[in-house]
Amino acid sequence: ETGVTQTPRHLVMGMTNKKSLKCEQHLGHNAMYWYKQSAKKPLELMFVYSLEERVENNSVPSRFSPECPNSSHLFLHLHTLQPEDSALYLCASSQGGATNEKLFFGSGTQLSVL
Amino acid sequence: AQSVAQPEDQVNVAEGNPLTVKCTYSVSGNPYLFWYVQYPNRGLQFLLKYITGDNLVKGSYGFEAEFNKSQTSFHLKKPSALVSDSALYFCAVRAFPNDYKLSFGAGTTVTVRA
Repeated sequence: ETGVTQTPRHLVMGMTNKKSLKCEQHLGHNAMYWYKQSAKKPLELMFVYSLEERVENNSVPSRFSPECPNSSHLFLHLHTLQPEDSALYLCASSQGGATNEKLFFGSGTQLSVL
Repeated sequence: AQSVAQPEDQVNVAEGNPLTVKCTYSVSGNPYLFWYVQYPNRGLQFLLKYITGDNLVKGSYGFEAEFNKSQTSFHLKKPSALVSDSALYFCAVRAFPNDYKLSFGAGTTVTVRA
């Protein structure tokens, strides 16, 4: 295991639902990330938190709302999603601030939007 | 803007044969270059990185990568592939020195047949 745990592993939701993805890291890192992985596309960086402050937001639609209550936990709140949002959502963490290059990834949440 | 290209969606090799996974990059300034591997139903795992110094970088599981500045390439290699090397491989780049964003390619699926 990488020390980064994501729950749930799978999630099916309707377009009107509200759900949250959870990520927890047990590595003592101080930066956390959300990436979106779609088949045959580059991984898309969605959000970066360094020392619990958001430092990167790549023009992600407002239906995705991140929350980082402390350096060990990261959430992605979802509401009124679209079918094209179906993807694998990966959480990652790193040590030494967001400029450190080595990321540790969780196994992801496979999201299906109906 | 920074980006990487992985020109091959799929690479197939026989066990025991050399394995090469290609990557080219585009970045302003000096690049930080990385390879990650994703096994089925798992998150990405760090394989190796190039920051500066020797153009040939050695990493985990017998993999190595060669940095070629003139060709803006960073190909991943393994002299003798194993069936267990079958996975999805991602190349990534970050612009030195303080860019938070780690940009990934679309990935190359490697299949090693027995």
